[in-house]
Amino acid sequence: KAGVTQTPRYLIKTRGQQVTLSCSPISGHRSVSWYQQTPGQGLQFLFEYFSETQRNKGNFPGRFSGRQFSNSRSEMNVSTLELGDSALYLCASSHTSGGRETQYFGPGTRLLVL
Amino acid sequence: DQQVKQNSPSLSVQEGRISILNCDYTNSMFDYFLWYKKYPAEGPTFLISISSIKDKNEDGRFTVFLNKSAKHLSLHIVPSQPGDSAVYFCAASANMNTGRRALTFGSGTRLQVQP
Repeated sequence: KAGVTQTPRYLIKTRGQQVTLSCSPISGHRSVSWYQQTPGQGLQFLFEYFSETQRNKGNFPGRFSGRQFSNSRSEMNVSTLELGDSALYLCASSHTSGGRETQYFGPGTRLLVL
Repeated sequence: DQQVKQNSPSLSVQEGRISILNCDYTNSMFDYFLWYKKYPAEGPTFLISISSIKDKNEDGRFTVFLNKSAKHLSLHIVPSQPGDSAVYFCAASANMNTGRRALTFGSGTRLQVQP
């Protein structure tokens, strides 16, 4: 099976702009989660989508939003970009086996805000 | 409020020796723990997990130990190899009211294995 794919891999934007990142989960996975990774902060959970519905949300401002399509592909949008939004954005799709869920990550999109 | 803490940002060991990565958690509702490994420019990859009903899980060179009373888990890599050099993230999950499990990650420990 193909892994989780994310596009684009690298992105440079300026403050005030908006950006849309895309994630295609592993075939058959219906849950997609988004994380932000910054140096020293680990992976900060943004939100999770399941069957086109946001099922869980982290502690990020409303400038961060997402959606999921019927084919489970997901997009994340950040509006009015700030310098502090520069980070690696990771998408993960997950499956549950034996009541336990394992997440599989994509390579990430590195966003630089100037 | 960091519910999952990896207090050592970095660790350096010699090839062939044991690497021990530590993780502490505060939320007593966590009942499933995972370790992920991350190379630069790649996403984290799942390494090994442990349920709270166990205190040890082994997979080849990797063993995870869980001490529930201390709310502490550790990952042992024996013997360490240069290819193990990466950032290791500890993660924990709890069964939420919705039945949904959410993962909480630590800040990571960078392991460097010296040849």
